[in-house]
Amino acid sequence: EAGVAQSPRYKIIEKRQSVAFWCNPISGHATLYWYQQILGQGPKLLIQFQNNGVVDDSQLPKDRFSAERLKGVDSTLKIQPAKLEDSAVYLCASSRSNYNEQFFGPGTRLTVL
Amino acid sequence: QKEVEQNSGPLSVPEGAIASLNCTYSDRVSQSFFWYRQYSGKSPELIMSIYSNGDKEDGRFTAQLNKASQYVSLLIRDSQPSDSATYLCAVNTGGGNKLTFGTGTQLKVEL
Repeated sequence: EAGVAQSPRYKIIEKRQSVAFWCNPISGHATLYWYQQILGQGPKLLIQFQNNGVVDDSQLPKDRFSAERLKGVDSTLKIQPAKLEDSAVYLCASSRSNYNEQFFGPGTRLTVL
Repeated sequence: QKEVEQNSGPLSVPEGAIASLNCTYSDRVSQSFFWYRQYSGKSPELIMSIYSNGDKEDGRFTAQLNKASQYVSLLIRDSQPSDSATYLCAVNTGGGNKLTFGTGTQLKVEL
């Protein structure tokens, strides 16, 4: 069974630029999560989708971050405009349903200069 | 008070010893508890899940849960250098499957 796929793996941008990350969950997993992990901290949930609906986006900075999951499979997370403090690893995870174990993709390391 | 607390370490144990990693949480209604292992520069890897009080064993790993004390732990028997990593405790909070992670405990297994 293929794992969670993410791209790109690394991205370097300047502040005020925009960036987008892509995630493809494990086949059959209805729930998809985006996390932000800052160095030295645990992952922090940004947004959770159940199929193509948003379950929780309470910690998503909506003035600059947006995410979508069209057709209930792939998902894209966008930051526009980026700030220095957005430098982090962005992790995508998926689970079979809203109450199961979550499995992480390899992550995208973002550096904002 | 943080929702999920872990000692950041590093915790150093000799090869072959038992490593004991601890985690406390504040949400009394939490029902699901997970341990993830994260190697430097890699993403978290699920190693154990536990949902009811008591012990759950899987190979060299044992997860222990005490909901009354709001405490979950991970024991690693016969520790190997390859076990050197950061171990993240995750707890579902606020209902549903929202996971809150601790900051992780760095484990170093020394030869």
